[in-house]
Amino acid sequence: DTGVSQNPRHKITKRGQNVTFRCDPISEHNRLYWYRQTLGQGPEFLTYFQNEAQLEKSRLLSDRFSAERPKGSFSTLEIQRTEQGDSAMYLCASSLGLTNTGELFFGEGSRLTVL
Amino acid sequence: AQSVTQLDSQVPVFEEAPVELRCNYSSSVSVYLFWYVQYPNQGLQLLLKYLSGSTLVKGINGFEAEFNKSQTSFHLRKPSVHISDTAEYFCAVSVRGQGAQKLVFGQGTRLTINP
Repeated sequence: DTGVSQNPRHKITKRGQNVTFRCDPISEHNRLYWYRQTLGQGPEFLTYFQNEAQLEKSRLLSDRFSAERPKGSFSTLEIQRTEQGDSAMYLCASSLGLTNTGELFFGEGSRLTVL
Repeated sequence: AQSVTQLDSQVPVFEEAPVELRCNYSSSVSVYLFWYVQYPNQGLQLLLKYLSGSTLVKGINGFEAEFNKSQTSFHLRKPSVHISDTAEYFCAVSVRGQGAQKLVFGQGTRLTINP
């Protein structure tokens, strides 16, 4: 039984560069979420998908951020022109839409460091 | 807006002592409540959840939590902690987003177990 998979686990980049993270959810889960977690804080909601449709985006998701889930399976989160304030752990989670309780299954996260 | 407050940012305890991590939520409607644990450099793992029914909820690793509607609390407890319980603990409430539920997290409580 495979869980939520994220890669890369760690990414170090220079300010101004673009980065992309990938998330593979649990196979039968139709909902996929992205959260951001900065040091010493709880995860903050960024966006979520139901199948391939992006249904909600947080105000935290600036124009430099874009997320896709083209075939309703894996998702990518791209950050363009990275800034030092983007340094954080980016967490992906998935859920089975039928239950609709909000319970999420998280991946190990992708840690971004912007120098 | 629904929110979660974790009253203690850090809780140090000795091994085999009991522990309580406090969580209060704000909500005017029925709630689903969760506790997640995060070990260093890892994603979040579900400890337990309250959806309905009995107000005392038992989870993994010997943890339990009690839902108290009148006090809007969902405190996490363990009667005897182990060194391996050292981690960050997050309380979360499920809120209605645009089309599906999503989780809103507290800021976390760092539990440190001393030998």
